[in-house]
Amino acid sequence: DGGITQSPKYLFRKEGQNVTLSCEQNLNHDAMYWYRQDPGQGLRLIYYSQIVNDFQKGDIAEGYSVSREKKESFPLTVTSAQKNPTAFYLCASRGWEGGPIAGELFFGEGSRLTVL
Amino acid sequence: AQSVAQPEDQVNVAEGNPLTVKCTYSVSGNPYLFWYVQYPNRGLQFLLKYITGDNLVKGSYGFEAEFNKSQTSFHLKKPSALVSDSALYFCAVRDVRSKSTFGDGTTLTVKP
Repeated sequence: DGGITQSPKYLFRKEGQNVTLSCEQNLNHDAMYWYRQDPGQGLRLIYYSQIVNDFQKGDIAEGYSVSREKKESFPLTVTSAQKNPTAFYLCASRGWEGGPIAGELFFGEGSRLTVL
Repeated sequence: AQSVAQPEDQVNVAEGNPLTVKCTYSVSGNPYLFWYVQYPNRGLQFLLKYITGDNLVKGSYGFEAEFNKSQTSFHLKKPSALVSDSALYFCAVRDVRSKSTFGDGTTLTVKP
């Protein structure tokens, strides 16, 4: 079945370590997104990419990095510069529907990162 | 800048009763509006969207939403709630630059 796969589901990190969250999609979507979710808050956009080899910062990009070398893959690295990385991270993609509108987001199942 | 407000953190309804989850928005230009549902420790699932056309939009699992341009609202509704509808609901607005802005979410609890 087509969809978005995030791994790992749970991840523990020591302070000062970088970690990389994987996001793979087989929906043939051009646009991909990373969101952070904290309790009681909505989703906040970290980075997004509308095409291979191109990406833009979202609202809370500091302390994070991404790459988009393949259409199917959009990994997120949480660096040691991120001061409060414990959160639930969601990857999403969106298809092109004949114009710059209309497409809903398809989400992965999320990765929960805990800093020890 | 665009924004979304979900004024209720929590909505409680009895099974079989109608439910409404409220959403208001602010965006320049034409709004593209979405509702998503999230179950615990899961990703979000798309329910319905308004892009253009009829103000009443029908979506998955019997949900519908009414777009009201004058009140800048896009409330989610269902005529008869089920216990299995209990979840976290998010309203979102998009602009033509492809970024989505989400509300803080509303927890819906349906009691038997």
